[in-house]
Amino acid sequence: SYVLTQPPSVSVAPGQTARVTCGGNNIGDKNVHWYQQKSGQAPLLVVYDDSDRPSGIPDRFSGSGSVNTATLTISRVEDGDEADYYCQVWDSSSGHHVFGTGTRVTVL
Amino acid sequence: QVTLRESGPALVKPTQTLTLTCTVSGFSLDTRGMCVTWIRQPPGKALEWLALIDWDGDSYYNTSLKTRLSISKGTSKNQVVLKMTNLDPVDTATYYCARISGGHVNWFDPWGQGTLVIVSS
Repeated sequence: SYVLTQPPSVSVAPGQTARVTCGGNNIGDKNVHWYQQKSGQAPLLVVYDDSDRPSGIPDRFSGSGSVNTATLTISRVEDGDEADYYCQVWDSSSGHHVFGTGTRVTVL
Repeated sequence: QVTLRESGPALVKPTQTLTLTCTVSGFSLDTRGMCVTWIRQPPGKALEWLALIDWDGDSYYNTSLKTRLSISKGTSKNQVVLKMTNLDPVDTATYYCARISGGHVNWFDPWGQGTLVIVSS
């Protein structure tokens, strides 16, 4: 089955840039979506279709990708960005959705 | 405003069947392109996709759990029901439902607040 690999943790100082990667075989051929999950809350969509933002999501959140890696970039990091972040794709070969392993972003 | 709300038992015994209901508002389950999906998250662990049903009644399942899962539209037009058989303590998790719009391959937005299910004797 299709596997999405994320680093377990990323630490960043306030005001700096955090980058969360999501690795998968030829992930560049798929549409990647990103979710933010704060402690005790349900996940929230922050980026869809690789790089689009839902209304209400700050432009500090952006997405990009290459052949085997998708990246969520959080610019000008704030304390409120501390959360777990998950990538997600639809895997057409297996006919189901797949989540990444998740990355905890810690604001120092 | 689109909302989803999960409901079901908080405690289930091993080997029993779990029945969860997702009640939606702000959209119709019969509108072309609309889907409802279920996801779970064991305590302290990652999200795991379970199943989805689309506006036409077609369903898709996580292949590793397919033999234990059943998703259907409820008797009420705004409900989706997920059944999971032969529960085990490893099935202890928060179960979420979410909407997918524009077809089953798309993103999940919004999510319900989740319901914690504990499997224990």
